[in-house]
Amino acid sequence: QVQLQESGPGLLKPSETLSLTCTVSGGSMYSYYWTWIRQPPGKGLEWIGDIYSSGSANYNPSLKSRVTISVDTSKNQFSLKLNSVTVADTAVYYCARHHKNHDILTNYEAGWSDPWGQGTLVIVSS
Amino acid sequence: SSELTQDPAVSVALGQTVRITCQGDSLRNYYPSWYRQKPGQAPVLVMYGKNKRPSGIPDRISGSSSRKTASLTITGAQAEDEADYYCNSRDNSGEHMIFGGGTKLTVL
Repeated sequence: QVQLQESGPGLLKPSETLSLTCTVSGGSMYSYYWTWIRQPPGKGLEWIGDIYSSGSANYNPSLKSRVTISVDTSKNQFSLKLNSVTVADTAVYYCARHHKNHDILTNYEAGWSDPWGQGTLVIVSS
Repeated sequence: SSELTQDPAVSVALGQTVRITCQGDSLRNYYPSWYRQKPGQAPVLVMYGKNKRPSGIPDRISGSSSRKTASLTITGAQAEDEADYYCNSRDNSGEHMIFGGGTKLTVL
């Protein structure tokens, strides 16, 4: 059973770079998408971006100028870097495996994230 | 802009049926995924694709989609169903994912 675990510093100062790693255990990273999602305290979920095992990444347009997601399949890890953080970046950061599918019968697309890591709280404060 | 709209809060009497909806242009040809989140816990996938449930999710939870609206229906709501529920879809560009604002379900 695939499990994911986030790791990284929990406290940053404004203007610093947030760096988190997600370690995948119990399965291969190949042929999957891997995603980062965050949740500010008391608020909803926000998609940060995802990366395919080949290294091709997509980012939330609102964060694109500051974010980089990378993957290291040899270590079974993928990482998130977010530059120039502010207090607005304070959130619980989750990593997850993302699936994509095309239903031939209905011509509908589908996507879903499962499993998720437990999440890690990152606080940005001066 | 791409958006997914959910009712902020919904309540249901114990044992009754409740429908949680998600509306957005991107749902016309996309099955959203649904997540349940309890306080202090990570979100858990409860529905994906065309009415597909992950293992461990009871069959009293079902999903449907019609045009720009997707629904998550809980039949015979239990106390353990009380949680925040989020829908997730792609945006109109098809390249990025978006979440609905979430629905807080209260079981009375």
